[in-house]
Amino acid sequence: QQQVKQSPQSLIVQKGGIPIINCAYENTAFDYFPWYQQFPGKGPALLIAIRPDVSEKKEGRFTISFNKSAKQFSLHIMDSQPGDSATYFCAASSGTYKYIFGTGTRLKVLA
Amino acid sequence: DAMVIQNPRYQVTQFGKPVTLSCSQTLNHNVMYWYQQKSSQAPKLLFHYYDKDFNNEADTPDNFQSRRPNTSFCFLDIRSPGLGDAAMYLCATREAGGIDNEQFFGPGTRLTVL
Repeated sequence: QQQVKQSPQSLIVQKGGIPIINCAYENTAFDYFPWYQQFPGKGPALLIAIRPDVSEKKEGRFTISFNKSAKQFSLHIMDSQPGDSATYFCAASSGTYKYIFGTGTRLKVLA
Repeated sequence: DAMVIQNPRYQVTQFGKPVTLSCSQTLNHNVMYWYQQKSSQAPKLLFHYYDKDFNNEADTPDNFQSRRPNTSFCFLDIRSPGLGDAAMYLCATREAGGIDNEQFFGPGTRLTVL
């Protein structure tokens, strides 16, 4: 119930491609869904987040799509660049100040 | 500019030798977190504070303790580190209130247990 399932585990795309990372959850009490980007040796940093009353949110090249009925959400990276190579984590929160993280996706963007 | 500071960045300890990791913040946030992150895994919440109220995760081993003497500082004590405790330890903070208040992470302390 408290899990957030993330896929794929790793992803390789060419520069300019659009990698898509998917997450699914079970707990309908979750009402905040952030995505974090983590570079090796660094802490995660918030990339973009969405509330379930919105089906899509864009910030620059990053877009979250949210499907409340399916309990799924995904991250799309437009015009991906080698500098986007990092590990991406989805997460979910239900207002208890606790975050449940997905298992992570290691993205590599080839030059 | 540093907002969440962790010291040291790298810590080596011996099996069974107590170790303390520290975290400080300049954001004046009232919620602070400690996460454990093992290689290629997601951050795992160990505990969090809302002001001085301590919230321990059910599966956090008793070997892990924490102190928060004031708003700015938080410490993670590992009483008897085992080889399985080798990991990156991440401190994070956020302002209480709105659910979409951002959680800020420190750079982490990488703990090696010999």
